[in-house]
Amino acid sequence: GQSLEQPSEVTAVEGAIVQINCTYQTSGFYGLSWYQQHDGGAPTFLSYNALDGLEETGRFSSFLSRSDSYGYLLLQELQMKDSASYFCAGYSSASKIIFGSGTRLSIRP
Amino acid sequence: DGGITQSPKYLFRKEGQNVTLSCEQNLNHDAMYWYRQDPGQGLRLIYYSQIVNDFQKGDIAEGYSVSREKKESFPLTVTSAQKNPTAFYLCASSTRDSTYEQYFGPGTRLTVT
Repeated sequence: GQSLEQPSEVTAVEGAIVQINCTYQTSGFYGLSWYQQHDGGAPTFLSYNALDGLEETGRFSSFLSRSDSYGYLLLQELQMKDSASYFCAGYSSASKIIFGSGTRLSIRP
Repeated sequence: DGGITQSPKYLFRKEGQNVTLSCEQNLNHDAMYWYRQDPGQGLRLIYYSQIVNDFQKGDIAEGYSVSREKKESFPLTVTSAQKNPTAFYLCASSTRDSTYEQYFGPGTRLTVT
């Protein structure tokens, strides 16, 4: 079967750095995507890693290790508006995308 | 502006009634998807379509039906056979080569009583 595991909740302080981990078991794995979803809103695409290593996009970075079946999303200089749920999603050879259950990020002033 | 629209935002139905949720996109994407999201949970794939007049079942297709007669439109019908239909429904689209980057509509929150 295919599954992705991520922590259900993470709390951090404004201005700090936080890392959200994701481990996966996906046959025919191609890559890992990350999405952000604010309460009541639609998910928005943040990043995609097909190769091992770190991809940086402004304050957000995403990392993938295919040998460890592991990835993470790194958020720097946290702002209150970053409070949201973050989903990792595995993309497989079946042209399907499987979502993790999401990590709710709460940011304290 | 290109994007995906879903209507209505909130929908209320009585148990035993079929209901159709609308999804339209003007991004010229070939692939479209329907997901269900329950409180505090991730997205579960109901149906997806990679080309007009073709669609495949996702992980939780029972009690749902779709059609794809036009590239821009991918309506979802929640039938009376769906045992627990109350949920937040999200439609998405992507290019066929970039399934990993999906664009989502604002969602429809369906309540069945």
